[in-house]
Amino acid sequence: DVKVTQSSRYLVKRTGEKVFLECVQDMDHENMFWYRQDPGLGLRLIYFSYDVKMKEKGDIPEGYSVSREKKERFSLILESASTNQTSMYLCASSLTSGATDTQYFGPGTRLTVL
Amino acid sequence: KNEVEQSPQNLTAQEGEFITINCSYSVGISALHWLQQHPGGGIVSLFMLSSGKKKHGRLIATINIQEKHSSLHITASHPRDSAVYICALRGAQKLVFGQGTRLTINP
Repeated sequence: DVKVTQSSRYLVKRTGEKVFLECVQDMDHENMFWYRQDPGLGLRLIYFSYDVKMKEKGDIPEGYSVSREKKERFSLILESASTNQTSMYLCASSLTSGATDTQYFGPGTRLTVL
Repeated sequence: KNEVEQSPQNLTAQEGEFITINCSYSVGISALHWLQQHPGGGIVSLFMLSSGKKKHGRLIATINIQEKHSSLHITASHPRDSAVYICALRGAQKLVFGQGTRLTINP
């Protein structure tokens, strides 16, 4: 079974703090994704990576950066957290970029920025 | 207008009822996914369709490419089916998600 893990289930941070969200997958997947999920808006793609050290902006990259130094690990960074970044953050991975590839999701991190 | 629209947004039914959740989209796609999200956040992929119909247990998913429409059906619904069901379109490299349908099955 594919396993995608995220470093925290719940996180509370203060405005202006630097926040790291970590995601690890154990199935040698090429692609990894970071989404945020907000009521009424569904899941929106923040960034994705199709290889080590490669990254692409998604639909809402502003205020975020990412790092992929190793194939199994994809980190989302909030350089200076703001209250409008309070959300559920979900990481996912897929084997390749193929149209028929399934994305496997982590359990999510619910981030609150005070 | 969103590229993908789901209906209904919320659905409450009694155990045993036949459930239908709809997904309409306005763009060309290479595949369509149905996902299930339980309370607590974890998302599981149920189906991936590019044509026709797929069945897994009590769940059936259909897609009509010409009409740009897909449906997810649940037969003999059970309280454990209570979850948010999300339709997602597969484009070039990424998924575009619907807003989800919150399904509650009462015993």
